[in-house]
Amino acid sequence: SQQGEEDPQALSIQEGENATMNCSYKTSINNLQWYRQNSGRGLVHLILIRSNEREKHSGRLRVTLDTSKKSSSLLITASRAADTASYFCATAVSMRFGAGTRLTVKP
Amino acid sequence: EAEVAQSPRYKITEKSQAVAFWCDPISGHATLYWYRQILGQGPELLVQFQDESVVDDSQLPKDRFSAERLKGVDSTLKIQPAELGDSAMYLCASSFAADTQYFGPGTRLTVL
Repeated sequence: SQQGEEDPQALSIQEGENATMNCSYKTSINNLQWYRQNSGRGLVHLILIRSNEREKHSGRLRVTLDTSKKSSSLLITASRAADTASYFCATAVSMRFGAGTRLTVKP
Repeated sequence: EAEVAQSPRYKITEKSQAVAFWCDPISGHATLYWYRQILGQGPELLVQFQDESVVDDSQLPKDRFSAERLKGVDSTLKIQPAELGDSAMYLCASSFAADTQYFGPGTRLTVL
């Protein structure tokens, strides 16, 4: 399968804590992307990391990519209640998504 | 800021009826995607267009679903006849270079 698979399925943390979610994939990629989806809404692109990059930052987001393990992680630092959403990864090859990680940040 | 437009936002229909969804991508985006998302699951790719050509429709239930993008701009997804299991969110997305996707707000379909 060319889709990303996110782990864990659900994550619940307190406001201010860090949240880490993981993505695994099975084929070679050119890049990997992370998206956020608030309940009942469309997906919003968060960050793209290319296959020749190992780490990328955007605000409170940090993404790592390990092509040897075919895995990526998304770290959200100092989480806020507004970060409550589902998070998905996708590879550019076929743009297929896994089931996502449902993050709940408690105030 | 340019956005992907979808209509209608909500649609309620009875089974065996025909339904159609419309998507207008961001201007200049050659790639257009239709996804179906069942509650609690990730988006499932139904069809991908590059301009007016279908690139991937391997997951499209072709006995009842059809999609077109006649002029390579806006697109229509049709279901005929609708079944109870088609109740879901239908998402449209577009991209310039087949990487970063920009999603519309979706159409929530309820089949009774």
